[in-house]
Amino acid sequence: GQQLNQSPQSMFIQEGEDVSMNCTSSSIFNTWLWYKQDPGEGPVLLIALYKAGELTSNGRLTAQFGITRKDSFLNISASIPSDVGIYFCAGPPTNTGNQFYFGTGTSLTVIP
Amino acid sequence: DSGVTQTPKHLITATGQRVTLRCSPRSGDLSVYWYQQSLDQGLQFLIHYYNGEERAKGNILERFSAQQFPDLHSELNLSSLELGDSALYFCASSVASGDSDTQYFGPGTRLTVL
Repeated sequence: GQQLNQSPQSMFIQEGEDVSMNCTSSSIFNTWLWYKQDPGEGPVLLIALYKAGELTSNGRLTAQFGITRKDSFLNISASIPSDVGIYFCAGPPTNTGNQFYFGTGTSLTVIP
Repeated sequence: DSGVTQTPKHLITATGQRVTLRCSPRSGDLSVYWYQQSLDQGLQFLIHYYNGEERAKGNILERFSAQQFPDLHSELNLSSLELGDSALYFCASSVASGDSDTQYFGPGTRLTVL
């Protein structure tokens, strides 16, 4: 099946630091989505990207749709303890109709 | 709150049994998707229904089946359960069925097979 590789796999940072994570695939995407999942809860949509090169912000979060359409990036500025969770990229590769694939996840721990 | 509801929240059953998980999409959404999330497999797409019709199948076992009813709620049926079926099962909904349609997730059903 399709593989969305997220990096890094986990991060431990101090409160107030900025965070960067990325997602890459061998397939081309028309849509990139970033979700955050708290333990035992469903993923919550953070940012949706629909066009190559698009840069979109949601508060302290900024995500970019890579120009190759095979990658995406998520940045969190001035992290706070409630940013703790697992961040997933997701989207439908262009050759799979509307079948969504999820990345391997980046686990974020914020140390107060 | 995404507006997607799932019941039950927790389900504990024995191997060989059959269970039904239920999902109600957000108001106005026509598409329902089912996902399985286990510790070692991450989020895996199972199946997608749009307005009552199956649209796409992912890694869904033959022991599993789903349907979407005229009121747009969906049920995922899991039969002949095995220990490895223990996982979180999520449904998500979206307005339509295009690849630009954002999916909103429910809180999930945690299935434990003993």
